[in-house]
Amino acid sequence: GAGVSQSPSNKVTEKGKDVELRCDPISGHTALYWYRQSLGQGLEFLIYFQGNSAPDKSGLPSDRFSAERTGGSVSTLTIQRTQQEDSAVYLCASRPLGLAGYEQFFGPGTRLTVL
Amino acid sequence: SQKIEQNSEALNIQEGKTATLTCNYTNYSPAYLQWYRQDPGRGPVFLLLIRENEKEKRKERLKVTFDTTLKQSLFHITASQPADSATYLCALDISGGGADGLTFGKGTHLIIQP
Repeated sequence: GAGVSQSPSNKVTEKGKDVELRCDPISGHTALYWYRQSLGQGLEFLIYFQGNSAPDKSGLPSDRFSAERTGGSVSTLTIQRTQQEDSAVYLCASRPLGLAGYEQFFGPGTRLTVL
Repeated sequence: SQKIEQNSEALNIQEGKTATLTCNYTNYSPAYLQWYRQDPGRGPVFLLLIRENEKEKRKERLKVTFDTTLKQSLFHITASQPADSATYLCALDISGGGADGLTFGKGTHLIIQP
């Protein structure tokens, strides 16, 4: 595709429900990132994928959060038993591997609201 | 941990003037420093990147400076236009390898008044 796409664009859920957020990176981009942007806060780095592998998952806020990537392309971020503090915009970004320091290409984000 | 401060939450500038945004960081200097623009309801869009051994980088009406002694980057928009109104984010790439992600400031909301 022309850019990074994310779905859904908006998600409203009830506290305690599970949600799954999807990211389609730019074709050929091996590196993929998830960030969270809460109201009035900067973007918070969550996890990085190199291909299908996530070397370090310590940035995930709690064990209710998990992420996977298959086929070196699509990635999903799953939040189990959602809490109100999980409400935020979840952004995905990708870039070609090997280009150290180069820009990240961001998707439009998924706005998650937990009631 | 690394902390980033951007000079103000909001900055009002008259059209045609130069807007200057500040990014200060603590601790160690990053391998790269990047600036992004974010419009409401959209993801950040890359503008400029500067390396730790570079002092200045320009692109059209944009200029970025990087002072590792002061631990500061300045972002300038010359001949500002109302269309430049947006939130501007400073981001540090600590290792340059990408695995750590980017560390972002909270952003400066720039308003260019006609």
